[in-house]
Amino acid sequence: ETGVTQTPRHLVMGMTNKKSLKCEQHLGHNAMYWYKQSAKKPLELMFVYNFKEQTENNSVPSRFSPECPNSSHLFLHLHTLQPEDSALYLCASSQVLGEVRVSDTQYFGPGTRLTVL
Amino acid sequence: EDKVVQSPLSLVVHEGDTVTLNCSYEVTNFRSLLWYKQEKKAPTFLFMLTSSGIEKKSGRLSSILDKKELFSILNITATQTGDSAVYLCAVNFDMRFGAGTRLTVKP
Repeated sequence: ETGVTQTPRHLVMGMTNKKSLKCEQHLGHNAMYWYKQSAKKPLELMFVYNFKEQTENNSVPSRFSPECPNSSHLFLHLHTLQPEDSALYLCASSQVLGEVRVSDTQYFGPGTRLTVL
Repeated sequence: EDKVVQSPLSLVVHEGDTVTLNCSYEVTNFRSLLWYKQEKKAPTFLFMLTSSGIEKKSGRLSSILDKKELFSILNITATQTGDSAVYLCAVNFDMRFGAGTRLTVKP
């Protein structure tokens, strides 16, 4: 059973809606991530929170807005999405050692399947 | 420009066959390479490799890294239908993923 939970598991929304995806990790990790997986494409890293510091992929549109209130919770706020934003959104967490960014094992949540109509 | 390339993109085998999946990379400040298995859900972590030439094994799966030639291989012996999945390779902290290899194991 994964130590990373995501809600909702499925979400259908219109282009004018505002919704939020939630991720919670129970592993005591200090870094959390949002990924997008579209059909027939590699996983795309969207946002990283490490030591409460956000690092983002500059290609992510501003209609996606992350929030990390503490090391256990991560949100992805969505507004005025486009149909091409339909995808599986995955949250992951890891334990980053010290100040050096090393690639540690990431534990993924089950994902939220988002459909934008 | 950093890149991670996996090959083949797709592979179909029969149960009992042995398969070798490849991942080559060109990234700045390499730290580690990770293998994941993804079925119809979130990826499952398989291996993390940081040192060259040291094989990691888990049951029928094994993997090794060559930091001189900049690649890793994932071997699966005596394949089973449950091994059917997309196998992803990722490099470094920002988890730069390859496109994956879709493995189909037929009975």
